[in-house]
Amino acid sequence: NAGVTQTPKFQVLKTGQSMTLQCAQDMNHEYMSWYRQDPGMGLRLIHYSVGAGITDQGEVPNGYNVSRSTTEDFPLRLLSAAPSQTSVYFCASSYYSGANYGYTFGSGTRLTVV
Amino acid sequence: AQTVTQSQPEMSVQEAETVTLSCTYDTSESNYYLFWYKQPPSRQMILVIRQEAYKQQNATENRFSVNFQKAAKSFSLKISDSQLGDTAMYFCAFINDYKLSFGAGTTVTVRA
Repeated sequence: NAGVTQTPKFQVLKTGQSMTLQCAQDMNHEYMSWYRQDPGMGLRLIHYSVGAGITDQGEVPNGYNVSRSTTEDFPLRLLSAAPSQTSVYFCASSYYSGANYGYTFGSGTRLTVV
Repeated sequence: AQTVTQSQPEMSVQEAETVTLSCTYDTSESNYYLFWYKQPPSRQMILVIRQEAYKQQNATENRFSVNFQKAAKSFSLKISDSQLGDTAMYFCAFINDYKLSFGAGTTVTVRA
């Protein structure tokens, strides 16, 4: 049981380049989300999905796209990288069962835009 | 919208002593969940403790306990008998409708 797998772990991009951060989970969770972590700001929600084919914006969606074609995968696309997108990115999947929430985070991607 | 405030950017504690991290939140919901997450230098997000708002009893997990004051919207974390492995950043988080909102974090350093 791998949990949440994020790739790559590190990436350097030039301004204007595009790329996709991959996220896959094998727990059959319906809910998946992407966060970015910046110093002094905690983790902020970028986009989330409540199931295959359904996505919505979080707190800081500008410059990012997502899609959810399967329950397992939730890639995050940077359309035209900017230095302001230098950050650590986390993917998470979660469930809600009865009175229990469960959140599982990926190991994170450190992205630097130069 | 929910907001989570952690007013202590950094804290330092001697090994074996106790440290308390503060967290306040703002919400209009009556039923919700609160969490404390630990992030060591490895960057991994580790769940430390969870509290359901409808439960008046404070949650405890071994050396970690919370003081949950619902009326004051306060959710502090106490680490007892601090160990070197407790050195990490700690995030307070609030969940409603699947979405987690995080505080800015508190860096805890345990001194030998």
